[in-house]
Amino acid sequence: GQQVMQIPQYQHVQEGEDFTTYCNSSTTLSNIQWYKQRPGGHPVFLIQLVKSGEVKKQKRLTFQFGEAKKNSSLHITATQTTDVGTYFCAGYPGGKLIFGQGTELSVKP
Amino acid sequence: DTAVSQTPKYLVTQMGNDKSIKCEQNLGHDTMYWYKQDSKKFLKIMFSYNNKELIINETVPNRFSPKSPDKAHLNLHINSLELGDSAVYFCASSQDGGLSEAFFGQGTRLTVV
Repeated sequence: GQQVMQIPQYQHVQEGEDFTTYCNSSTTLSNIQWYKQRPGGHPVFLIQLVKSGEVKKQKRLTFQFGEAKKNSSLHITATQTTDVGTYFCAGYPGGKLIFGQGTELSVKP
Repeated sequence: DTAVSQTPKYLVTQMGNDKSIKCEQNLGHDTMYWYKQDSKKFLKIMFSYNNKELIINETVPNRFSPKSPDKAHLNLHINSLELGDSAVYFCASSQDGGLSEAFFGQGTRLTVV
């Protein structure tokens, strides 16, 4: 079936290092969304990308949507301990909001 | 005011019991969802409702029955609970299905013993 794949599953970094998570879809997506879930919390919307090749920034976070609208990435520059959590991409193939498996980020101070 | 609220937050019950989880959103959204999050954090869509009508019913055992009395509420009833049903269940809502951001409830941690 239609899937949204995300890698890596886990990422452990030293504070100050960069972090990237990648998202791939088997089908072209109309849009891609990114969410963050803090430990013990619920997913919280970060951003939505709609256009082919779109790049958006939120402070140290950079989001990209691929030219073919099948892949996306989230890059965090100079991670901080407040960045800890699980990052999910979500796509809308076939009329339902499908989430990637998530990337759990841990940051060592 | 909480945008999407779920009750209860924690639910511990024995195998074979029947339980319900309630969800309400005060955002005026048309679409509501139920997701199941397992121990590996994977968010699996279970159901999607649009204006009280069932839109998506993933391959979920028929022991799970959603009910939407109005577009602000989407409840989840589970019959004959099994150990494998233990998970965190999230309710969410959005205005235009997956075309706009989804707002999640705080989750219900269900433990079946």
